[in-house]
Amino acid sequence: EAGVTQSPTHLIKTRGQQVTLRCSPISGHTSVYWYQQALGLGLQFLLWYDEGEERNRGNFPPRFSGRQFPNYSSELNVNALELEDSALYLCASSRGGLAGADTQYFGPGTRLTVL
Amino acid sequence: KQEVTQIPAALSVPEGENLVLNCSFTDSAIYNLQWFRQDPGKGLTSLLLIQSSQREQTSGRLNASLDKSSGRSTLYIAASQPGDSATYLCAVLTMDSNYQLIWGAGTKLIIKP
Repeated sequence: EAGVTQSPTHLIKTRGQQVTLRCSPISGHTSVYWYQQALGLGLQFLLWYDEGEERNRGNFPPRFSGRQFPNYSSELNVNALELEDSALYLCASSRGGLAGADTQYFGPGTRLTVL
Repeated sequence: KQEVTQIPAALSVPEGENLVLNCSFTDSAIYNLQWFRQDPGKGLTSLLLIQSSQREQTSGRLNASLDKSSGRSTLYIAASQPGDSATYLCAVLTMDSNYQLIWGAGTKLIIKP
């Protein structure tokens, strides 16, 4: 069974640009979570999608947004990139319902560098 | 507001030793607590999930305990191996956070051959 996949693996952008990160959950999982892990900082929760809807949002500005498609894959969009957006962006999936009630399975991440 | 602390931040031990990693949390109203490992520059791998009604979970050489009343969890690694070297993270699912996992900063573990 395939795990959570993310694309691209690495990305280099400049300040002010926009970026889209993609995530495909494990088959049968309906919940997708996005996290940011900046260098030297812990994991910060960004977004939770379940059944196509945004269920919860972390303490991030509106320029961080996303969506979940009918096949449960998800995109994370970041507009007007800033230097401090440089981080490893992790996607996780789980069975639907109560977020975190089931184990979250993580993808390998997308390393975003903003110059 | 739930806060999760992991001590120590880093640990280096010789191969073969048994070791304990600690995780503490401030709000005992949790659904569950999870332990993950992260290898450098990579995603996370779930190790153990302990529901709030459970006291411990075991998987191979790993044993995680949970004491909700004292806000503590420990991850016990038996007979450590160099392949256990990684950063270990704990996370709690808190009832008042709309099902958001709250993460500790992790313990970086190095097992010396």
